[in-house]
Amino acid sequence: EIVMTQSPATLSVSPGERVTLSCRASQSVSSNLAWYQQKPGQAPRLLIYGASTRATGIPARFSGSGSGTEFTLTISSLQSEDFAVYYCQQYNNWHTFGGGTKVEIK
Amino acid sequence: EVQLVQSGAEVKKPGESLRISCKGSGYSFTRHWISWVRQMPGKGLEWMGRINPSDSYTNYSPSFQGHVTISADKSISTAYLQWSSLKASDTAMYYCASATWFDPWGQGTLVTVSS
Repeated sequence: EIVMTQSPATLSVSPGERVTLSCRASQSVSSNLAWYQQKPGQAPRLLIYGASTRATGIPARFSGSGSGTEFTLTISSLQSEDFAVYYCQQYNNWHTFGGGTKVEIK
Repeated sequence: EVQLVQSGAEVKKPGESLRISCKGSGYSFTRHWISWVRQMPGKGLEWMGRINPSDSYTNYSPSFQGHVTISADKSISTAYLQWSSLKASDTAMYYCASATWFDPWGQGTLVTVSS
């Protein structure tokens, strides 16, 4: 089973700041990596697939990069609506989620 | 609009059986796998398994193999997740999601197991 590790677990940031979230796979997943955003009481929402392709309707301030075992989600200028938990997911070999990174207000 | 609509919240006792559902609309239901995802209270997302609605072929995460059964009825565009004997530790929110990268997601079904 492929293990996905996200860091940090919690990130305290101010609105307008640039945010970088990391996700590491225990073995290569090529570019078969997605990112999701989840707000309290809501289902997760797809942000990025194919490691770097934004899903429909996702603002350009969200970007993804990486391949193989190291991936990054960047939010260029954090907006108030972006405070949430972010999960990475590999779909190269079935599916596995990372433990999540909570982005909270500083 | 492509969407998945799940059945409502359930409250059950330990040892009882349960089947929850996920109905797709706005797309060809047999075109994409349907996965089920567990989220225990205050915790992260766990992939449980998936089904190919066109032939009902299933894959299960080793963590859930033997504990749940995933099925589908393509004639009514609906996938199911079922338990034969619930435990208190099955208390969680359960989501269905479509396709290789999960989009869309159902709204979630809260399952509470308590004596």
